[in-house]
Amino acid sequence: GIQVEQSPPDLILQEGANSTLRCNFSDSVNNLQWFHQNPWGQLINLFYIPSGTKQNGRLSATTVATERYSLLYISSSQTTDSGVYFCAVTLSGATNKLIFGTGTLLAVQP
Amino acid sequence: EAGVVQSPRYKIIEKKQPVAFWCNPISGHNTLYWYRQNLGQGPELLIRYENEEAVDDSQLPKDRFSAERLKGVDSTLKIQPAELGDSAVYLCASSFGQNQPQHFGDGTRLSIL
Repeated sequence: GIQVEQSPPDLILQEGANSTLRCNFSDSVNNLQWFHQNPWGQLINLFYIPSGTKQNGRLSATTVATERYSLLYISSSQTTDSGVYFCAVTLSGATNKLIFGTGTLLAVQP
Repeated sequence: EAGVVQSPRYKIIEKKQPVAFWCNPISGHNTLYWYRQNLGQGPELLIRYENEEAVDDSQLPKDRFSAERLKGVDSTLKIQPAELGDSAVYLCASSFGQNQPQHFGDGTRLSIL
C-alpha cells in the first residue's frame, strides 16, 4: 500500500522561529490535506492542497504532486502552534479514504 | 457554520460492555466517515457513508462493531462487546462529496477498564 512519511518526526522551536515540515508519498494521489492536532486532540484543517501553493496567515503549503511531496511552512511560530501535524492523502482512482502520514510532533517553547 | 458534532466527548466502560458514539455532520455534507485513532498514530478509516449507504466498511471489525446512518444525516457507531484493545479516540468526519476536504469532529475518547 501507499507509504506516507513525514519529517522530521519531532521538532522543538523557540517562539518566533520558522520551520518547514515535509510529507512524502509513494503513489499518485487525488488529494492532500494538512491537519494540526492540538494538545486537546482536536484535528483542525489547515490546507486542502492537491497541488500548488496556498497561504493562510503565518502558514503556507506547497504540493508538488508529480514529485510526490508536500511542504508546510510555519513562520513566526507561537506556543499555540504546538501539537502534531499530519498530512493525509487519498489515492487516485480509489475511494475517498484519507491515509494519514506518520506525523510531526512540534513543541514551541516561549 | 456549525462543525461536526460528536458525543460523548469521553467514555469509560468496563470490558464486555456495549458503547455507542453519535455524530452529526456539517449541514449539507452527504459523505460521513468514522475513523479510529490509536495513541501515537494517525486516524484510520473504519467506515464511509454516501448518504445512508455504507460504501466502504472494509476496515470495520464486523464481529463487534456496527454503524448506521438511517436518514442520511447523523450516524451512530456501536461496539458490543467492548474489548481492552478498543481503547482509542473515535473520530467522525464529513465532506461535501468525494474529492472534497474532510472536516473532523472533536472525537470521543474511549477507555476500557
